[in-house]
Amino acid sequence: ELKVEQNPLFLSMQEGKNYTIYCNYSTTSDRLYWYRQDPGKSLESLFVLLSNGAVKQEGRLMASLDTKARLSTLHITAAVHDLSATYFCAVDFIRDDKIIFGKGTRLHILP
Amino acid sequence: EPEVTQTPSHQVTQMGQEVILRCVPISNHLYFYWYRQILGQKVEFLVSFYNNEISEKSEIFDDQFSVERPDGSNFTLKIRSTKLEDSAMYFCASSVGARQPQHFGDGTRLSIL
Repeated sequence: ELKVEQNPLFLSMQEGKNYTIYCNYSTTSDRLYWYRQDPGKSLESLFVLLSNGAVKQEGRLMASLDTKARLSTLHITAAVHDLSATYFCAVDFIRDDKIIFGKGTRLHILP
Repeated sequence: EPEVTQTPSHQVTQMGQEVILRCVPISNHLYFYWYRQILGQKVEFLVSFYNNEISEKSEIFDDQFSVERPDGSNFTLKIRSTKLEDSAMYFCASSVGARQPQHFGDGTRLSIL
């Protein structure tokens, strides 16, 4: 069964702190996406990770992929209030023409 | 930057009525998708479409659902007889090729009364 699990599902943190969101998936994949969603809005593409060991950074967000461990992380450095949103990882499983999303991590950053 | 556009942004429909959600994918994209997101929950795959036929569908996509590319630009999702549990945000996405990054539209919020 194709599964994508994120944790934590909810995260409340202070501005200036660092934290990591984890995304595990159940079977072979070489392609993983991170999306941001603000309440009532669409999905904004943050990162596309295409190979083992891939690391991408944009501002205070950094994403990495370990295909052997079937694990991706989204690291937040020195969080600011503007990063409050729900973050989804989504996995493109080989042999399937669809993306499976995790349940999302609702990130709330306190000023 | 080209984008996927969806109309309407919000659709309110009586239970049992038919509804058609419309999408205009990015013009050079060949693969089209529909996803739905029930309020507060995760995004779920419904169907993928390529070369004028369904390439994959989920168990959610039952006989009440259909998709069509009626012309060279539109991609539609029809729900034949809506149920209360069809209330959700429906996202259309398109990609230039198989297993390429999918670009999402802003979604249509469907409310069934």
